[in-house]
Amino acid sequence: ELKVEQNPLFLSMQEGKNYTIYCNYSTTSDRLYWYRQDPGKSLESLFVLLSNGAVKQEGRLMASLDTKARLSTLHITAAVHDLSATYFCAVDIKGSQGNLIFGKGTKLSVKP
Amino acid sequence: KAGVTQTPRYLIKTRGQQVTLSCSPISGHRSVSWYQQTPGQGLQFLFEYFSETQRNKGNFPGRFSGRQFSNSRSEMNVSTLELGDSALYLCASSRQGGETQYFGPGTRLLVL
Repeated sequence: ELKVEQNPLFLSMQEGKNYTIYCNYSTTSDRLYWYRQDPGKSLESLFVLLSNGAVKQEGRLMASLDTKARLSTLHITAAVHDLSATYFCAVDIKGSQGNLIFGKGTKLSVKP
Repeated sequence: KAGVTQTPRYLIKTRGQQVTLSCSPISGHRSVSWYQQTPGQGLQFLFEYFSETQRNKGNFPGRFSGRQFSNSRSEMNVSTLELGDSALYLCASSRQGGETQYFGPGTRLLVL
């Protein structure tokens, strides 16, 4: 059974600081995704990582993938309040389509 | 391009009733997946449809069912509602099912 574990589950940061969210998964997967969810809202796609060593950056967020370690990281640089949200990583089961397994999510709170 | 739409946005039902939720995917997307989101269990995959066929199914009881129409619109039905079915139900669409899924705003179901 494919399991996805995120840590930390809660993260309180000060503006301007850097931090990393970790996502471990238990078996081979074709793709790894990062999504953002604001309170009461739906999920917004941030990144899709397709291969070992893949790195993607958008603004203050950078995601990377190490398929050998089955680990993805989401690095936050110089956090700002607007980044406060819950961040989910998700993987798809190899060979299975349309079926994402999500981590529990990391609730990020950025304080002034 | 219009995003994924879901109707209704909010529903209140009582135990034992049944409910039907609707999802219209992004134009050109043929894969529709459904997820249940609860505070306790997080995001869980329900099922995925492609070209009117269910390709994948999550670990949910038979009370949860779905279908897809020739225009790719999808419905899910929950019969004999239980209190534990209270959740946010999200649908997501993608072109073929093996790439980034785009989520709708969700239907929030409350079972009393």
